[in-house]
Amino acid sequence: GAGVSQSPRYKVAKRGQDVALRCDPISGHVSLFWYQQALGQGPEFLTYFQNEAQLDKSGLPSDRFFAERPEGSVSTLKIQRTQQEDSAVYLCASSLAYGFGEKLFFGSGTQLSVL
Amino acid sequence: TQLLEQSPQFLSIQEGENLTVYCNSSSVFSSLQWYRQEPGEGPVLLVTVVTGGEVKKLKRLTFQFGDARKDSSLHITAAQPGDTGLYLCAGDSNYQLIWGAGTKLIIKP
Repeated sequence: GAGVSQSPRYKVAKRGQDVALRCDPISGHVSLFWYQQALGQGPEFLTYFQNEAQLDKSGLPSDRFFAERPEGSVSTLKIQRTQQEDSAVYLCASSLAYGFGEKLFFGSGTQLSVL
Repeated sequence: TQLLEQSPQFLSIQEGENLTVYCNSSSVFSSLQWYRQEPGEGPVLLVTVVTGGEVKKLKRLTFQFGDARKDSSLHITAAQPGDTGLYLCAGDSNYQLIWGAGTKLIIKP
């Protein structure tokens, strides 16, 4: 596709429910990032993939959060037993290569509301 | 812990005025990026500055990287309603970006 695509755009979950958020990066982009953005804040790093390898998951807030990118393209962020504090916009970004100064392309995000 | 502080947090001005927003840190970054984010969308890259003291211009926007590569500023000349948005700076730390909280800018017609 022309850009990074995320689905769903909006997700409302009941506390305790599991959710799965999907990211389709730009074709051929090696690097893929997941960020969490709270209202009125900048994005916060969650995890990073280079192709199918998850090289850094230090930003995942708890073991309820899990991300995968099995074939090095589409990625899924899964949150188990959602809590109210998980409510945020989840942004996915991809870049062509790895290295400093690489241009990141962001999707429009998934807005998760946990009731 | 590396932190980027942006100021002001919020700015509302009239169309045609000039403004400057700031991004400061006690840490040195190899590069610094500025993004604009509109409601319901992801951030969009405006510019990357790499060299200390570097100045880059993008139409009415002027970006400057501090000599010590710890801070940056964004100056907008003759602001227009289309400049409204959340301006975020992000410093490059290995492959991660360290993000500021943003300056929410509103330009009133």
